[in-house]
Amino acid sequence: EIVLTQSPGTLSLSPGERATLSCRASQSVTSSYLAWYQQKPGQAPRLLIYGASSRATGIPDRFSGSGSGTDFTLTISRLEPEDFAVYYCQQYGSSRPYTFGQGTKLEIK
Amino acid sequence: QVQLQESGPGLVKPSQTLSLTCTVSGGSISSGGYYWSWIRQHPGKGLEWIGYIYYSGSTYYNPSLKSRVTISVDTSKNQFSLKLSSVTAADTAVYYCGRGRHWFDPWGQGTLVTVSS
Repeated sequence: EIVLTQSPGTLSLSPGERATLSCRASQSVTSSYLAWYQQKPGQAPRLLIYGASSRATGIPDRFSGSGSGTDFTLTISRLEPEDFAVYYCQQYGSSRPYTFGQGTKLEIK
Repeated sequence: QVQLQESGPGLVKPSQTLSLTCTVSGGSISSGGYYWSWIRQHPGKGLEWIGYIYYSGSTYYNPSLKSRVTISVDTSKNQFSLKLSSVTAADTAVYYCGRGRHWFDPWGQGTLVTVSS
């Protein structure tokens, strides 16, 4: 089973700043099969990125994903107030089961 | 657009079977080539993928839950279902249904299932 470790656990930033969230896999993720989700309190997760770098429908272009192999990054170029939430990465490569990271909480500084 | 809604008992006794249904609206469960999944989230914790089903009935389960999980589909009702047997307190979680096999989009709003006597 691939273990995904997200860092930092909590990120404190101000609106307008740039956020960089990391997701590291315990082994290489096949074909960059990695997704990112945003979850707000009391809500279901929302898909942001799939295939490591492809934005889901309706996701603003301030969200971008990058990386390959074992190291992946979600970048939010300029934080909006609605971006403060918990973010999860998930791998869906050939190594099942599909697994999620433990999450990074992005909070307002 | 496609919307998903979970339904089922919010309280299940230990050793019994948890049963949930996901109703799909805004699209047919048997068209579009989509798979349909269940994911759960333990209180205050991360996410765990449970398994998925295709409209044909083909399934794949998380090996850690495989011995206790059954996912089925009813295309006539545009629903798919989850059964988890022999539940314990460790199965207390918010259960989500989602569209997709690899990534999940969209998700249902989730339903909290508590295992307690």
